Amino acid sequence: DVKVTQSSRYLVKRTGEKVFLECVQDMDHENMFWYRQDPGLGLRLIYFSYDVKMKEKGDIPEGYSVSREKKERFSLILESASTNQTSMYLCASRIGTGNSPLHFGNGTRLTVT
Amino acid sequence: GENVEQHPSTLSVQEGDSAVIKCTYSDSASNYFPWYKQELGKGPQLIIDIRSNVGEKKDQRIAVTLNKTAKHFSLHITETQPEDSAVYFCAASGGGSYIPTFGRGTSLIVHP
Repeated sequence: DVKVTQSSRYLVKRTGEKVFLECVQDMDHENMFWYRQDPGLGLRLIYFSYDVKMKEKGDIPEGYSVSREKKERFSLILESASTNQTSMYLCASRIGTGNSPLHFGNGTRLTVT
Repeated sequence: GENVEQHPSTLSVQEGDSAVIKCTYSDSASNYFPWYKQELGKGPQLIIDIRSNVGEKKDQRIAVTLNKTAKHFSLHITETQPEDSAVYFCAASGGGSYIPTFGRGTSLIVHP
């Protein structure tokens, strides 16, 4: 089974802090994604990566950046956390051969105070 | 870009009843339609998917139907059980980018 591991289950940070959310997958998947989940808004794509060193903006990239230095690891960075970034963050990976299902981690619930 | 509408947002049924969740999509180039189930405290997991060359697919108590002309697809769960209670998401992708667009989710509650 594919395993996607998000390093933190819960995080509490202060406004203005730099925040790192880490995600690791163990199936040598080319594609990795970061989503944000908010009640009533579903899953919104922040950034994705087709392969190592590659990154593409999703639908809501403002206030976020990403890093993919190794194939198995995809990091989401909040340069200066704000209260409106309080949310559930979901990482996913996928084999990179066109349409195929996403494999999600269990999420990181981030609270910015 | 693609737009996916999902209804209803909440669905409450009695154990043993059937449940149907519907999604519509806007991009006629979309050709892959997965459904995910998210249980409390977990990430979404694929439960069934369908591609545009197929009209219906079944897996035990769950089935998905696709109407390409009308651009809608539906998830059908028969003989619902309390463990079916979860949030269900539909998605659509294709047309070259292969980046899925998700519906807003349906919270299914199955009462024992």
